[in-house]
Amino acid sequence: DAVLTQSPLSLPVTLGQPASISCTSSQSLVHTDGNTYLNWFLQRPGQSPRRLLYRVSNRDSGVPDRFSGSGSGTDFTLKISRVEAEDVGVYYCMQGIHWPWTFGPGTKVEIE
Amino acid sequence: EVQLVESGGGLVQPGGSLRLSCVASGFTFSDYWMGWVRQAPGKGLEWVANINQDGSAKYYIDSVKGRFTISRDNAQNSLFLQMNSLRAEDTAVYYCAIAATGRGGFDLWGQGTPVTVSS
Repeated sequence: DAVLTQSPLSLPVTLGQPASISCTSSQSLVHTDGNTYLNWFLQRPGQSPRRLLYRVSNRDSGVPDRFSGSGSGTDFTLKISRVEAEDVGVYYCMQGIHWPWTFGPGTKVEIE
Repeated sequence: EVQLVESGGGLVQPGGSLRLSCVASGFTFSDYWMGWVRQAPGKGLEWVANINQDGSAKYYIDSVKGRFTISRDNAQNSLFLQMNSLRAEDTAVYYCAIAATGRGGFDLWGQGTPVTVSS
């Protein structure tokens, strides 16, 4: 299985400041079709998860442009340029290239 | 508006069965892969199963193979998860989700239905 690790697992942030979460895969997430299938999700407290980014850096509809994704191969990063109160929750990376699909353990983002 | 509504969760004894349902609306259900993801209490997300548009391809996490069956009824815009031989470790909230972008994971999720396996 492709194991995803995230760091940090807990991230206290200050409103208006940037934040960054790393995700590392035990296997390459580059498909033979040329795409890299690493996706990011946010689960706000008490809510269902929602996808923020797919294929590394493509923002879903309605996702603010303060969220960005980067990386290649096995190493990826989610960045929030300026944290807002609504960004609190648990962030998960997820790979969709290898069966079984797997999620990272999650990074809990809280406001300091 | 795209919507997924799960039902069928509840309390069941170890070794028992449950059938989860997910009714979709607001999009052409038969055009998309669908899947189930679960979340044990206080834990992270775990992918459970996926099914392709016509039900001819199904994938499962190893821990549920032979016990769970994913299926769909495109005429009824419905997704199902038949869960047999349930174990305590299957206790979780089960989410139905659309995999519209294929390997891009799940575009939209339902509100989830809780399953508790306990005697």
